[in-house]
Amino acid sequence: ETGVTQSPTHLIKTRGQQVTLRCSSQSGHNTVSWYQQALGQGPQFIFQYYREEENGRGNFPPRFSGLQFPNYSSELNVNALELDDSALYLCASTDTGYEQYFGPGTRLTVT
Amino acid sequence: DAKTTQPTSMDCAEGRAANLPCNHSTISGNEYVYWYRQIHSQGPQYIIHGLKNNETNEMASLIITEDRKSSTLILPHATLRDTAVYYCIVRVAWSGAGSYQLTFGKGTKLSVIP
Repeated sequence: ETGVTQSPTHLIKTRGQQVTLRCSSQSGHNTVSWYQQALGQGPQFIFQYYREEENGRGNFPPRFSGLQFPNYSSELNVNALELDDSALYLCASTDTGYEQYFGPGTRLTVT
Repeated sequence: DAKTTQPTSMDCAEGRAANLPCNHSTISGNEYVYWYRQIHSQGPQYIIHGLKNNETNEMASLIITEDRKSSTLILPHATLRDTAVYYCIVRVAWSGAGSYQLTFGKGTKLSVIP
């Protein structure tokens, strides 16, 4: 158990819709990162938030956005969903900077 | 960050040592070697990391060659619960705000056989 939770576990959306995924980090973890994992691939870095500010972004379009809140929770929002957005979405939090703690992920299916 | 090369898959008998190799021939002097694993349907889990000295913790040992161009993760007594995809990641030490970004490859699928 990493102490990082994500909701929902599974989600089915239609192309063009918008989705919000949620992550709850351990208390004191001021950094949260989001990753997308397509089937059979390793996770790909989407972006990171540090103390409620975006602190780095991978090669993902602006329709992927996020928020981090003072209570160590965070959100990943995806607008205008595409079929290729179907994936496992993972959040990871840390306080030390070297060990990141991953949640179990949200499985998103876009039809 | 330096690129890594890992075998696609490996088998190991239960109770034996599992030795997972990783090649990182372009590693720079300030880059660390990290290992994470991902058990089916779960998020990745940190295992160990090192710079140039061998490291050991309660989960595994990390052996880095003297030229640092390759490393081996050792699980001393593999169990069925160690069946997972193991990722070797090389990246610079993080000194800025927040934390480092992880760049995952496809990893090595380790199957522990009863």
